[in-house]
Amino acid sequence: QVQLQESGPGLVKPSETLSLTCSVSGGSVSDYYWNWFRQPPGKELEWIGFVYFSGSTSYNPSLKSRVTMSVDTSKNQFSVTLRSVIPADTAVYYCARPTEKATTPYAFDIWGQGTLVTVSS
Amino acid sequence: EVVLTQSPGTLSLSPGERATLSCRASQSVSSTYLAWYQQRPGQAPRLLIYAASRRATGIPDRFSGRGSGTDFTLSISNLEPEDFAVYYCQQYGDSPRITFGQGTRLEIK
Repeated sequence: QVQLQESGPGLVKPSETLSLTCSVSGGSVSDYYWNWFRQPPGKELEWIGFVYFSGSTSYNPSLKSRVTMSVDTSKNQFSVTLRSVIPADTAVYYCARPTEKATTPYAFDIWGQGTLVTVSS
Repeated sequence: EVVLTQSPGTLSLSPGERATLSCRASQSVSSTYLAWYQQRPGQAPRLLIYAASRRATGIPDRFSGRGSGTDFTLSISNLEPEDFAVYYCQQYGDSPRITFGQGTRLEIK
């Protein structure tokens, strides 16, 4: 079955750029809206945005000025970068796939295990 | 922005009892776009219910969802030890596209 795996540095310095990749195995990145979420320690989930396999994107307005997402179909993976990070960006970051392809991503049944990113000098 | 408010914040029950969790939206949400998740400590969220009342693959029928408009409910009958976790509702709509409630913690009494 389809599995997702996040990868990237676990520690980022304030004002620098956080970059994470989600590798898709057991399936193709084609035809889905690929999403990123985050969850600060002890807090609720927050949607960061999604990228369609074609490259179109939608971002949370609260992060839009600092976020970029992309898909690499040749590597079967997708990525997120968050610029000018601050300590409040410390969170577990998850990638996720919606239940249905090629349509509104309204529910998510496949998640990566999550990766903790700490913003600290 | 659609704000989802979950209640209660914490629910203390015993195994075998029935749990009823509430999710109230600040404006009407299409039933198609309301989902529920379970999250155990250290784990990713697990989809339980989508389209307000449809169980996800592999979810036991002890879990059920209902509701429309601004009021949605997740019910869990005959609580098992593994059901004690945090539950989130989530909606898809306008900007931001996806929002979550603050969660309900279901704890063993």
